[in-house]
Amino acid sequence: AQKVTQAQTEISVVEKEDVTLDCVYETRDTTYYLFWYKQPPSGELVFLIRRNSFDEQNEISGRYSWNFQKSTSSFNFTITASQVVDSAVYFCALSGGGSSYDKVIFGPGTSLSVIP
Amino acid sequence: KAGVTQTPRYLIKTRGQQVTLSCSPISGHRSVSWYQQTPGQGLQFLFEYFSETQRNKGNFPGRFSGRQFSNSRSEMNVSTLELGDSALYLCASSRGGPRTDTQYFGPGTRLTVL
Repeated sequence: AQKVTQAQTEISVVEKEDVTLDCVYETRDTTYYLFWYKQPPSGELVFLIRRNSFDEQNEISGRYSWNFQKSTSSFNFTITASQVVDSAVYFCALSGGGSSYDKVIFGPGTSLSVIP
Repeated sequence: KAGVTQTPRYLIKTRGQQVTLSCSPISGHRSVSWYQQTPGQGLQFLFEYFSETQRNKGNFPGRFSGRQFSNSRSEMNVSTLELGDSALYLCASSRGGPRTDTQYFGPGTRLTVL
């Protein structure tokens, strides 16, 4: 069975603070993909990043960075110097192999509030 | 470039009725996925279509069905509506599939079942 856990339900930070959103996944597949999506108050989900299971290189894109560790089945997301516009619900997601190919399983989401 | 469009945006139905939701993907995208979003269950995968073929299906009862047309537009149908079907139904499109290509979401259809 595949599962995505986001233990943090809600996080509040003051603007300009750094914040890390945790994601832990479960899968028996050796090939899989991990994703982060953002859902702002307007409601439309926005793709942020995709990583495959063979690429553990961590990435930085502007104020965003991702830390993928297969040893702990974690795919964490960090926002540096948070801004009010970062306030949204963030979803971690997983797509496995075999019969689960192209089936995307989402975690419960973490609601981030950035306070000015 | 036009985004993913979903119609209608809002819908109110009564128990026992059926409903059809429509999704028009971004031009050139052949994969369409459907998701149900509720406060209690979160975002759940319904099904994914590619070139008119259903490639994957989530754990939903047979009352939930879908199809994709030759122009990649997709419809999903829910028969014999139940109160628990009240949700935001999201459609997403990608070129070859959500695993390997960026998935773009539509604004959703808000279904209320009374």
